[in-house]
Amino acid sequence: GQNIDQPTEMTATEGAIVQINCTYQTSGFNGLFWYQQHAGEAPTFLSYNVLDGLEEKGRFSSFLSRSKGYSYLLLKELQMKDSASYLCAPLNSNYQLIWGAGTKLIIKP
Amino acid sequence: NAGVTQTPKFQVLKTGQSMTLQCAQDMNHEYMSWYRQDPGMGLRLIHYSVGAGITDQGEVPNGYNVSRSTTEDFPLRLLSAAPSQTSVYFCASSLKTGTGGDEQFFGPGTRLTVL
Repeated sequence: GQNIDQPTEMTATEGAIVQINCTYQTSGFNGLFWYQQHAGEAPTFLSYNVLDGLEEKGRFSSFLSRSKGYSYLLLKELQMKDSASYLCAPLNSNYQLIWGAGTKLIIKP
Repeated sequence: NAGVTQTPKFQVLKTGQSMTLQCAQDMNHEYMSWYRQDPGMGLRLIHYSVGAGITDQGEVPNGYNVSRSTTEDFPLRLLSAAPSQTSVYFCASSLKTGTGGDEQFFGPGTRLTVL
């Protein structure tokens, strides 16, 4: 079967660093997306990884290990506006996204 | 560009009623899809289209129909609404399918309640 596992909720402090983990099992693999979703809004694209390693984009970085079925999203210098849900979504062999339930990140001052 | 637009933003239906959720994009994207999002669950694919005149079923297609007569529009029809269809519905589009890295652009969502 296809399965995505990520923590339901995490709490972090403004200005700190947080790592959101995602493990996945899919039928085939064509890369992995991370999306951000603020409460009551639509998801918006953060990153895409298809090769192993770290992709850095400003305060956000995403890491992929295909052999381990594992990815993480690293958020640095946390700001209050980073309070949102973060969705992990690998792309399977049919190029369909398989969505995790998301990790709700709460930022405290 | 308006991006992906959806109407209505909110809707309340009675069991058995039918309605159409509208979705349009002005980015000339080939790929369009409909998802539903329920609390504690990931987005689930209802139907998708890889181009005008081509549609296919996703993970949870029962109770829904779609059509794609133009590149821009991809309406979702609820045939006979049931309380289990209470959800938030998102339409999304991407440039192509089958190329891997194309991000999906989402509409603002339709919040549907079926009584």
